[in-house]
Amino acid sequence: AQSVTQPDIHITVSEGASLELRCNYSYGATPYLFWYVQSPGQGLQLLLKYFSGDTLVQGIKGFEAEFKRSQSSFNLRKPSVHWSDAAEYFCAVGPISSGSARQLTFGSGTQLTVLP
Amino acid sequence: EAEVAQSPRYKITEKSQAVAFWCDPISGHATLYWYRQILGQGPELLVQFQDESVVDDSQLPKDRFSAERLKGVDSTLKIQPAELGDSAMYLCASRLGIQETQYFGPGTRLLVL
Repeated sequence: AQSVTQPDIHITVSEGASLELRCNYSYGATPYLFWYVQSPGQGLQLLLKYFSGDTLVQGIKGFEAEFKRSQSSFNLRKPSVHWSDAAEYFCAVGPISSGSARQLTFGSGTQLTVLP
Repeated sequence: EAEVAQSPRYKITEKSQAVAFWCDPISGHATLYWYRQILGQGPELLVQFQDESVVDDSQLPKDRFSAERLKGVDSTLKIQPAELGDSAMYLCASRLGIQETQYFGPGTRLLVL
């Protein structure tokens, strides 16, 4: 069964500092990988996704993530954090299959606090 | 930009009452999902539809939960009777094709008293 681990429950960074959120997955083959962001009381917004090709993917709001097959990781990075980035971040994995039962498995999330 | 619509945004109900949530996916999206997100956790799939058919409802507590998508467009998720443990955010998502991303609605926050 596929699973996603986000080892950091809560991260605090100062505005302008760099950020890295960790994500490790368990799956038998190369999965689809996603990062979503959720502001309080809101739904999930897609930041970026990896399906195939270049292992460094660019997303919205200045975020990027790197797929490392050897480490089963898909860490999210941002070089300079803004106060508006404070939110909860979820990593998700989905299977590559030809069937219609294409589902996502989410990690438990990392809460990001940004200090002024 | 097209969005997934959900209503109501917030619902407070008493234990043993019935509640219903509505979702209207992005136009043309054949696949629709209902997720439950307990506070402090990631979303967990309850049910997946492909057009009007249920693809996966293995995680849906069928003794009290039901979901339908009669015309393959909008969908309703019902809980009857509601229990205290059902308090959570209920998220709807839709997807266009096999390799497409899931797009999420704003969710319905349910509080059962």
